[in-house]
Amino acid sequence: KQEVTQIPAALSVPEGENLVLNCSFTDSAIYNLQWFRQDPGKGLTSLLLIQSSQREQTSGRLNASLDKSSGRSTLYIAASQPGDSATYLCAVNYGGSQGNLIFGKGTKLSVKP
Amino acid sequence: DGGITQSPKYLFRKEGQNVTLSCEQNLNHDAMYWYRQDPGQGLRLIYYSQIVNDFQKGDIAEGYSVSREKKESFPLTVTSAQKNPTAFYLCASRSRDSVSYEQYFGPGTRLTVT
Repeated sequence: KQEVTQIPAALSVPEGENLVLNCSFTDSAIYNLQWFRQDPGKGLTSLLLIQSSQREQTSGRLNASLDKSSGRSTLYIAASQPGDSATYLCAVNYGGSQGNLIFGKGTKLSVKP
Repeated sequence: DGGITQSPKYLFRKEGQNVTLSCEQNLNHDAMYWYRQDPGQGLRLIYYSQIVNDFQKGDIAEGYSVSREKKESFPLTVTSAQKNPTAFYLCASRSRDSVSYEQYFGPGTRLTVT
């Protein structure tokens, strides 16, 4: 069964700290992996998408890496800010145009001022 | 301004009533999706549609129905057969023409049934 796991479920850090969120998947034959941010009571905002042929993607203070062989992706947030507080979800697409996303349950991040 | 709209934002219904949630997109995306989100459960796929006039059941389709008569619209009906309808419902879409098949989400509808 294809599963996506995110550990820890919650994380609290002081402002300014660099941090890493983890995502693991059981089947390494992925098409791509997408990281999302969700604020309370809101929809999901796409942050980064990594194709299976890529090792990493960067957007501003965010860097997502992908290691298919170990079934892992990480989202690195540099110099965290209170505005980064949200739930971060990763989702894996195994089937390309026909593939549905399989979601992890998310990591709830709290950045304390 | 392109995007996905869901209405209403909050919806309250009595038990035993059917209710329809709206989802509209102006991104010219072929594929559309409905998810349900419950605390601690993550997102679960209810129904999806890859093209107009066609749709497939997701992981938790029981008690729900959909239609896809127009490319822009994918309404979800929560029927009285759904045992635990209170949840946050998210609609999403993506293009079938892009290489990435990146998925985009609407703002969600919170349904409360009492």
